[in-house]
Amino acid sequence: GAVVSQHPSRVICKSGTSVKIECRSLDFQATTMFWYRQFPKKSLMLMATSNEGSKATYEQGVEKDKFLINHASLTLSTLTVTSAHPEDSSFYICSAHSPDSPNYEQYFGPGTRLTVT
Amino acid sequence: AQTVTQSQPEMSVQEAETVTLSCTYDTSESDYYLFWYKQPPSRQMILVIRQEAYKQQNATENRFSVNFQKAAKSFSLKISDSQLGDAAMYFCAYSNTGNQFYFGTGTSLTVIP
Repeated sequence: GAVVSQHPSRVICKSGTSVKIECRSLDFQATTMFWYRQFPKKSLMLMATSNEGSKATYEQGVEKDKFLINHASLTLSTLTVTSAHPEDSSFYICSAHSPDSPNYEQYFGPGTRLTVT
Repeated sequence: AQTVTQSQPEMSVQEAETVTLSCTYDTSESDYYLFWYKQPPSRQMILVIRQEAYKQQNATENRFSVNFQKAAKSFSLKISDSQLGDAAMYFCAYSNTGNQFYFGTGTSLTVIP
């Protein structure tokens, strides 16, 4: 149980273009989803928390106009990197939280590697 | 603010031996959860073990066990009979609401054949 998928797993885009990453909870309803960014050999940095049907809450220092998050349903959240630049190249991980989980556990997607050329 | 500290950036262990990874945290809450996640080269985060703060008994999952010292705010992970497949980054994490995780900086574990 509790599977989270991400699509695509890898994406290469040109500088100045936008790219969308999808995060889906496959077998449970996720009222809250989280987006993390991870640099090589570094920890996960929380970018934003999204709740279904409401605006995402961004962490300090994360540009909300650049990283657009939409949590339109209980099983889907999307992260759109707008006007991407090479410094946006990173590994992006989503996770989902189910209110039915008794242990505060988050379920992680497999991640998306973004390369901006 | 809650912080999670992993003071060992890298550790190594001989196959079949035991290794302990350290984690300390800072919180003023009394009720919370602690987790150890494994991130192998595939980058998929895998839950290794969790501990509820209100439970005095240390959690155990097969070869993985924790030493939870609530007063000292310490949460170490012991891996027994280490296997090659245990090689990965290990992250300690704290959560008191389910809505936010605080991760440590990670420990890279190498298993030597």
